[in-house]
Amino acid sequence: DIQVTQSPSSLSASVGDRVTITCRTGQSISTYLNWYQQKPGKAPKVLIYGAANLESGVPSRFSGSRSGTDFTLTISSLQAEDFATYYCQQTYRTPGTFGQGTRLENK
Amino acid sequence: QLQLQESGPGLVKPSDTLSLTCSVSGASISINNYYWGWVRQPPGRTLEWIGSIYYSGSTDYSPSLQSRVTTFVDTSKNRFSLKLSSVTAADTAVYYCVRSRGYSYGYFDSWGQGTLVTVSS
Repeated sequence: DIQVTQSPSSLSASVGDRVTITCRTGQSISTYLNWYQQKPGKAPKVLIYGAANLESGVPSRFSGSRSGTDFTLTISSLQAEDFATYYCQQTYRTPGTFGQGTRLENK
Repeated sequence: QLQLQESGPGLVKPSDTLSLTCSVSGASISINNYYWGWVRQPPGRTLEWIGSIYYSGSTDYSPSLQSRVTTFVDTSKNRFSLKLSSVTAADTAVYYCVRSRGYSYGYFDSWGQGTLVTVSS
């Protein structure tokens, strides 16, 4: 399986902060990386697909980028509803592995 | 609006077969370029893709689970199903049915609410 290393595992931030979460893959996966948001007791929701494409209906404060095998999810100005756990997922090769998650907490 | 809803037993005995069904409403399951699949999440852990099926019946499974997984599609009832055999405590998880865009493990753009399945005697 393609290794996906997500960091940090947890992060404390305040409303209005700029937040970045990173995933690094063990090999080149082009832009086959997606980002999801999951709130407690709820199903995940896709935010970004293909490394940088914003899913319909997702606020524009969320953005994704790629540099080689490093992928970044950025929240430009954190809102109260953004405190959640975030996962990346590579879809370059089966079985489409997920990162371990980043728990974003209110400082 | 597309909705997916899982149903099935919440408790399964070790060595038995786990069976779940996902009912789809708001869209036809017989749509090109979308797969219908299953993702699970053990308590406190990350997500794991299990497998997916196309409306034609073509299937694709995670290599680590393929010896125990079977999926079915019933286009007349707009639903699809999962069977996971020889379960152990390690199969205890929230199971989500999902729609996958483009290919079997492509990005999951719609999710059911999830159902907790506990494997215990």
